[in-house]
Order: sequence, then structure tokens, then C-alpha cells
Amino acid sequence: EIVMTQSPATLSMSPGERATLSCRASQSLDSNLAAWYQHKPGQGPSLLIYASSTRATGVPARFSGSGSGTEFTLTISSLQSEDFAVYYCQQYNKWPLTFGGGTKVEIK
Amino acid sequence: DVQLLQSGGGLVQPGGSLTLSCAASGFTFNKYAMTWVRQAPGKGLEWVSAISRSGESSYHADSVKGRFTISRDNSKSTLYLQMNSLRAEDTAVYYCAKGGYDDYYYFDTWGQGILVTVSS
Repeated sequence: EIVMTQSPATLSMSPGERATLSCRASQSLDSNLAAWYQHKPGQGPSLLIYASSTRATGVPARFSGSGSGTEFTLTISSLQSEDFAVYYCQQYNKWPLTFGGGTKVEIK
Repeated sequence: DVQLLQSGGGLVQPGGSLTLSCAASGFTFNKYAMTWVRQAPGKGLEWVSAISRSGESSYHADSVKGRFTISRDNSKSTLYLQMNSLRAEDTAVYYCAKGGYDDYYYFDTWGQGILVTVSS
């Protein structure tokens, strides 16, 4: 099983700041098959990024993904009030599919 | 609009059974893989089961293998999760989700979630 490890667990930020979230895979992901999701309480998760760096339809340009192999990063260039949420990475390279433990981005 | 409407959750006793449904609309259901993901109270997301667009291939997490069965009825645009031998640790909000393009198993649309509580 590929273990996805996210860091930090919590990020305390102010609106307007740049947020950098990390995700490390225990094995290299072929073709960079990693995705990022945003999850808010009471809602289903929302896809932000797939294939490591491709922004999903309708996702604002302030969200960007990068990385390859075992190291992946989600960057939010300037935090807006609606961006405070929990973020998860997921690998879809091998079965079983696995998610990271999540990074909570909270208001400082 | 692409929508996934979930139903079938509730309270069930340990050892009992429950079937979740996920009715899809706004897209060609038989062209996309589908999945179930759950979130236990206070925990993160956990992948449960996935099924190919035709239904010929299905996959399950070890934690539910032999107890849960994923299926789909493409004529009804509906996804199912049959859950048997339920345990307290299966208590969670369950989400259905639609697969991405080119048959990749990332998920671009999610249901609203439905609570399953396993307790006596």
C-alpha cells in the first residue's frame, strides 16, 4: 500500500498569505497520479488538482499543484476567507487508493 | 448540473446490513468509474470501494473486503454499496464520487454524504 504523508497537520495563516502544503508518497507515483481535494464541514470534498498539476474545472488560479515522484505540493498564492478548510492529497497510481491524513488550514 | 444524490444511511446494529444508493444525473453515467469514500468521526478520508464504468471490475479496501460489495446499474444511473456484517468501526459519513476522465480514479464530483451509525 502506498502511504501518503501530509505536512504540516495544521497551518495557521492570515488572509492574503501564501500557503504551501506538502504530500509525500511512500513509493514513486507513475505519471504523477496525485490529486488534491478541499473539504469543508458538512459538504462533500471538492477536487482542486489532478495529475499533480492540472487544475480542475472552475478552480481559481490561486490554487496550483506541483511535484513528481514522491513529493507533491499544493500552493495557495493568496488565501481568501473561503479557503480555510482541510486539504487532502490522494494517489491513484496503485490499488488500494489512498489519501493523506489531511492538512487543516485555519485562520491565525 | 452534475449531481450525485445519496440515500440509504441510518442506524444499524452491529452485525447488521445496509445498502447505500447514489443516484447520478447531469452526465453519461456509464462513461465514468465511481467510488465510495468514508470519513469516520474526527478522522480523515478513507477510500472504501471503486467500480469501473462497465461494472466488470471492482476494488475494495482490505478493511471492508468480504463484507461490502459495490455495484452499479447503468440503466438507472445508480451506484450502490451493499454493507454486511457491519462493525462499530464502520460508523462514518459515506460519500459517493464520480471518476475523472480517461478512466482515472481521481474524483471530480462528490455526493453530499450520508451518515451510517453502527451501534446497539
